[in-house]
Amino acid sequence: DTGVSQNPRHKITKRGQNVTFRCDPISEHNRLYWYRQTLGQGPEFLTYFQNEAQLEKSRLLSDRFSAERPKGSFSTLEIQRTEQGDSAMYLCASTPTGTYEQYFGPGTRLTVT
Amino acid sequence: AQSVTQPDIHITVSEGASLELRCNYSYGATPYLFWYVQSPGQGLQLLLKYFSGDTLVQGIKGFEAEFKRSQSSFNLRKPSVHWSDAAEYFCAVGALETGANNLFFGTGTRLTVIP
Repeated sequence: DTGVSQNPRHKITKRGQNVTFRCDPISEHNRLYWYRQTLGQGPEFLTYFQNEAQLEKSRLLSDRFSAERPKGSFSTLEIQRTEQGDSAMYLCASTPTGTYEQYFGPGTRLTVT
Repeated sequence: AQSVTQPDIHITVSEGASLELRCNYSYGATPYLFWYVQSPGQGLQLLLKYFSGDTLVQGIKGFEAEFKRSQSSFNLRKPSVHWSDAAEYFCAVGALETGANNLFFGTGTRLTVIP
C-alpha cells in the first residue's frame, strides 16, 4: 500500500494555459475524489468517481474544469484557460468499497501567474 | 446543507499540556464526522472518525474525540501534546444519505506547540 499519489506536486503556469493533474489512488479503492484547497481554507469538494463513473460534481467545477477516470483506475483533472483564481492546492482522495474514510494524497499546488 | 465551524483559528499550547480543538457542525440528521491533520505542504491524514455507536472515539497518535449531538459538536482532545503535533487540524462532516462522498471541511485550526 503506497498511498494516494499525485503528479506533479507543483505546477506553475501562465494565465490562459491548460494544465492537467494526475491522481493514482490506492490499489482497489473504487471511489476517488477531487478537492481544492486555497490558502487559509479547508478543502472544498469538486467531484467524485465510483469506478469510472463521475457521480457528483460541485458547482465549483466550472466548464473550464474536467475530470476523468478511465477504466476506474487513475484520474486526471484538467483546467482549461487557467485564471489566477485557480491558484490552489488540488487534493485527491480515495476510499475502498464498504467504508467511508477518505485517504488523501499529498496534493498538487498550482500557481497561475 | 452541511457546514462545519472551527471557532479557533490558531491555538498555542506548551508541550506536555492538554489540548482541545473545537468543532461544531450543522446538519439535520446523523452526520459522519472526521478529524484530519495536515502538516505544511502535505496532504491530509485521517486522525479519527465517528459514524455511529460509542460517542467517544479513539484515533491515532493518542487523539480522541467526543460526539455530542445536543451541542452539535465533535471536539478533538489529547491529554499531552508533543512537539510533533504542531500542524493544521481540520474537522469534516459527511452526509449519511450520500455515504459521506462529499465532505464539508471547516477552515482549520493551526496548532503551535512551544517547548
